[in-house]
Amino acid sequence: LAKTTQPISMDSYEGQEVNITCSHNNIATNDYITWYQQFPSQGPRFIIQGYKTKVTNEVASLFIPADRKSSTLSLPRVSLSDTAVYYCLVERAGNMLTFGGGTRLMVKP
Amino acid sequence: EPEVTQTPSHQVTQMGQEVILRCVPISNHLYFYWYRQILGQKVEFLVSFYNNEISEKSEIFDDQFSVERPDGSNFTLKIRSTKLEDSAMYFCASRGGTGATDTQYFGPGTRLTVL
Repeated sequence: LAKTTQPISMDSYEGQEVNITCSHNNIATNDYITWYQQFPSQGPRFIIQGYKTKVTNEVASLFIPADRKSSTLSLPRVSLSDTAVYYCLVERAGNMLTFGGGTRLMVKP
Repeated sequence: EPEVTQTPSHQVTQMGQEVILRCVPISNHLYFYWYRQILGQKVEFLVSFYNNEISEKSEIFDDQFSVERPDGSNFTLKIRSTKLEDSAMYFCASRGGTGATDTQYFGPGTRLTVL
């Protein structure tokens, strides 16, 4: 599976939009891009998944360029409760998930 | 919203003892997983289970580990003789199918502390 690279940490302030970019240069044709959120001592929680272009749900947007070698998770107007670790994963249907180190997002008041 | 549940939330055991961690996957899901996360480290895959057998396992999942689906609802992870390095959060996950958009849903985890 394609290796993912994302920033180790990011800081933001309440009310700001946060964009976390992940690179996955070796993504294969049948791979999907999935983002999970994890709070301390809790299980990872699915946020959003996409294949290409843009996907939006009630919590986030996911932008994937045409070459699919990167993706950007966009969190609109973050609050303190969005402080968490965010994982970008390249997922192949049916396979187990391979987590990297994730991006530790700190939202400040 | 359906969710994966796990019991107990915290298990403390002595080294060498057997532990069984329990999970109730989402009711119509067919594929089940165990992951673990040592404090401060990445979430690591242990094993996947489908149709009453293991479909894939990692190097971590050695002979000390076993999984079982004893009835139509529970999915268990047994560690036969715990070691200090087994101390971690253990997460169960389930998914409905193997389609590209069939997401894995994780439980809240069991914190295992081996003394």
